[in-house]
Amino acid sequence: QITLKESGPTLVRPTQTLSLTCTFSGFSLATSGLAVGWIRQPPGKALEWLALIYWDDTTRYSPSLNNRLTITKDTSKNQVVLTLANMGPVDTATYYCAQRGPGAPFDYWGQGTLVTVAS
Amino acid sequence: SYELTQPLSVSVAPGQTARISCGANNLGSKNVHWYQQKAGQAPVVVIYRDSKRPSGIPERFSGSNSGNTATLTITSAQVDDEADYYCQVWDTTTAVFGGGTKLTVL
Repeated sequence: QITLKESGPTLVRPTQTLSLTCTFSGFSLATSGLAVGWIRQPPGKALEWLALIYWDDTTRYSPSLNNRLTITKDTSKNQVVLTLANMGPVDTATYYCAQRGPGAPFDYWGQGTLVTVAS
Repeated sequence: SYELTQPLSVSVAPGQTARISCGANNLGSKNVHWYQQKAGQAPVVVIYRDSKRPSGIPERFSGSNSGNTATLTITSAQVDDEADYYCQVWDTTTAVFGGGTKLTVL
């Protein structure tokens, strides 16, 4: 059974850096072709893809947020970490992590974690 | 940047067929995935690679993709199908989601 769960702060001050951890089970990110990504959703708005990391450490980022995002993985801990620098109120959203198989959609999603940016 | 265009809302009566479109330039050359998101829940894949249905998804869900438009079709829609639906593609190395369509079944 594949599960993913996001963890991190629920409240972030403006200009701070957000760090979120995705802890997963049921698969290994050492498996060829697999990837874990992050997607966010502001309240009442659409899904927005942020970043992706593959089994071979290849990373991909949203062009609109590229200079603020970093995604890393710790295969031994079954974790993927996303950092988003210089947070602002527009970054208030539910942040999801999700697994992607080879050539596949985001098959498995975490429950999401709501991050609010406020002073 | 590549953009996917969806109607904001679609409304059908129970038992009718709902069609949700997703438009973009030369979309037919890409694999389109569709997600269903019910209120307060994470998205779930209902169609992948244009027309494939994951195990556990009812047969009333189907998909097509040609030219500049992909379509998610829900035959004999049920009240339980009421949700937001998103299309998604990969534009080279970038994942792109559509703006979402709210399906109302009443």
